[in-house]
Amino acid sequence: DARVTQTPRHKVTEMGQEVTMRCQPILGHNTVFWYRQTMMQGLELLAYFRNRAPLDDSGMPKDRFSAEMPDATLATLKIQPSEPRDSAVYFCASGIQGVVGNYGYTFGSGTRLTVV
Amino acid sequence: GESVGLHLPTLSVQEGDNSIINCAYSNSASDYFIWYKQESGKGPQFIIDIRSNMDKRQGQRVTVLLNKTVKHLSLQIAATQPGDSAVYFCAENMKTSYDKVIFGPGTSLSVIP
Repeated sequence: DARVTQTPRHKVTEMGQEVTMRCQPILGHNTVFWYRQTMMQGLELLAYFRNRAPLDDSGMPKDRFSAEMPDATLATLKIQPSEPRDSAVYFCASGIQGVVGNYGYTFGSGTRLTVV
Repeated sequence: GESVGLHLPTLSVQEGDNSIINCAYSNSASDYFIWYKQESGKGPQFIIDIRSNMDKRQGQRVTVLLNKTVKHLSLQIAATQPGDSAVYFCAENMKTSYDKVIFGPGTSLSVIP
C-alpha cells in the first residue's frame, strides 16, 4: 500500500535548537498538509501546499516555523528556535486536489517532538 | 468562528454492543464531513464520509448520520470489537476551501472484552 513517510519518528531536543521534520508524500499526490497534535489543542492544521506552492499557512507561528517543499517528493517543517511548548506530534498528510476522504488525505505516522 | 466539537470525550462499551459517537459542528457552510479513527502511535485513518445533501451513509459496520437542522453528526459502530478501540475524530470541510479539513477534539472509545 502507498503510504506517507515521516522522519524522524521521535525527536528529543533542547530548547533553542533547530528541528527539521521531513515528509515524503505519496507519489502522485499534489497536496501536502502539516498538522500538529496535542492533548490540549487536538489536531491543528499548520500549513498546506498544492503542487509545491504554499496555499495556507495561517495556522503556523510565523516567527519560528517554516514549511517548504523543495521538490515533489519532500516536504519539510522547520522550527527555529524550538521551545518546550512546541512539544507535540506532527503529522504530514498528502492528498489529491479536489478529492477529500477515502481517496484524499492519507496521514503519515507522525514525528513525536519533545523539547526540553 | 467555525468549530467542530464532541459531546463525549470518552466512551466505554461492551464488546458486541453498538457504539454511538456524537459530534457537533457550528459552520453551516460546511458541506462535507469525515470520520477518522486514530490508533495509538498512528496517524488518523479515514473511516467514512458524508456530504451535506445526505442524511445517512452506511459502510461496513459503520453508519454516519447527519442532522443539518441541529448541526449534529454521529458515527455508529455495530457489534463493537476490541480492534475498534481508538480515538475517533469528526472533521468538516468547507465549501470555501475544498481541501481544508478542520478536526474536532476527538472521542476515545474503549471496548470492554
